[in-house]
Amino acid sequence: QQQVKQSPQSLIVQKGGISIINCAYENTAFDYFPWYQQFPGKGPALLIAIRPDVSEKKEGRFTISFNKSAKQFSLHIMDSQPGDSATYFCAARNAGNNRKLIWGLGTSLAVNP
Amino acid sequence: EPEVTQTPSHQVTQMGQEVILRCVPISNHLYFYWYRQILGQKVEFLVSFYNNEISEKSEIFDDQFSVERPDGSNFTLKIRSTKLEDSAMYFCASSAPLNNEQFFGPGTRLTVL
Repeated sequence: QQQVKQSPQSLIVQKGGISIINCAYENTAFDYFPWYQQFPGKGPALLIAIRPDVSEKKEGRFTISFNKSAKQFSLHIMDSQPGDSATYFCAARNAGNNRKLIWGLGTSLAVNP
Repeated sequence: EPEVTQTPSHQVTQMGQEVILRCVPISNHLYFYWYRQILGQKVEFLVSFYNNEISEKSEIFDDQFSVERPDGSNFTLKIRSTKLEDSAMYFCASSAPLNNEQFFGPGTRLTVL
């Protein structure tokens, strides 16, 4: 119940295309859903996050779509660029004070020029 | 821009040896975390720390692991007797009160031979 399932494991997109990464969860106590971007040799960096009281959040080319009833959320990268090539992780956090993040397995995105 | 720093960037040690991984969280943050990432796998929560005590730990964080905030700036992870399977990237993170975002350091790559 603590798992976050992420797909696909890897993704190749042409420059200018839309990259879509999906995540699903079981625990309805999760109250915060961030997406992290990680470049090789670097730590994860927060890209965008959403709470379950909204269905969509957009920041620039990045959009999170959230479906509370289906317990799914996805990251959309519009107009994908070669610089977006990285590993993307979805995560979820339990409501409460411990704040630990439960992570998906990650998606390796390659954007071809 | 404030950032989380970690030292060393790479630590090589012999099985059975003790290692201490060091982190300097962002100065006004009060919540501290250690995560690890085995090569090619997902990020795993190890421990969270608040108000000078562990607030939660995972099953990975057994009695071989300990954390300490020895002064007002450093946050350390000690592994008393390293095993081969401890080889991973270890990330420190910190977050501010009333803020969900966890800021990650660049990581320490631990190699146990």
